[in-house]
Amino acid sequence: ELKVEQNPLFLSMQEGKNYTIYCNYSTTSDRLYWYRQDPGKSLESLFVLLSNGAVKQEGRLMASLDTKARLSTLHITAAVHDLSATYFCAVDFSRGTYKYIFGTGTRLKVLA
Amino acid sequence: DAGITQSPRHKVTETGTPVTLRCHQTENHRYMYWYRQDPGHGLRLIHYSYGVKDTDKGEVSDGYSVSRSKTEDFLLTLESATSSQTSVYFCATANSGANVLTFGAGSRLTVL
Repeated sequence: ELKVEQNPLFLSMQEGKNYTIYCNYSTTSDRLYWYRQDPGKSLESLFVLLSNGAVKQEGRLMASLDTKARLSTLHITAAVHDLSATYFCAVDFSRGTYKYIFGTGTRLKVLA
Repeated sequence: DAGITQSPRHKVTETGTPVTLRCHQTENHRYMYWYRQDPGHGLRLIHYSYGVKDTDKGEVSDGYSVSRSKTEDFLLTLESATSSQTSVYFCATANSGANVLTFGAGSRLTVL
């Protein structure tokens, strides 16, 4: 079964703190994506990770991929209120036809 | 996103009635997707298309059908809507290569 699991599902954190969101997936893939969704809005792309060991950073967010462990992390450094959103990882399990399965999402709330 | 238009954006219907949601893109993207978003489930793939007249099932395809007669349009049909199909439906597109998904604004469907 193709499964993508995220944890935690909910995260409330203080401004200035660091935290990591985890994305585990059930079977081999080397293409993983992170998206952000603001309340009531659509999703927008954050990171594309296309190989084992890939690391991408933008601002206070850094994403990494370990294909052997079937694990991706999204690390938040010195959180600010503007990072409050729901974060999704998505995995492409189907080589060639691009079938993307999403995780359940992590709802992040950064408290001032 | 300006390149993807979903219609209708909001619809209320009764159990047993047919419903068609339309996704129109101007990006000339090869791949198109329909997802539903429900609390606690994240985004779940309903159907996707990897070319004109080429479609495949996703995770939750029962009760849904799709058609893609031209590159720019991907239709999602609920032949006989049920209350369990009350959800927010997102269309997404992607091109070849890294295949980052671009999402439409979403269509909120309520089945009474």
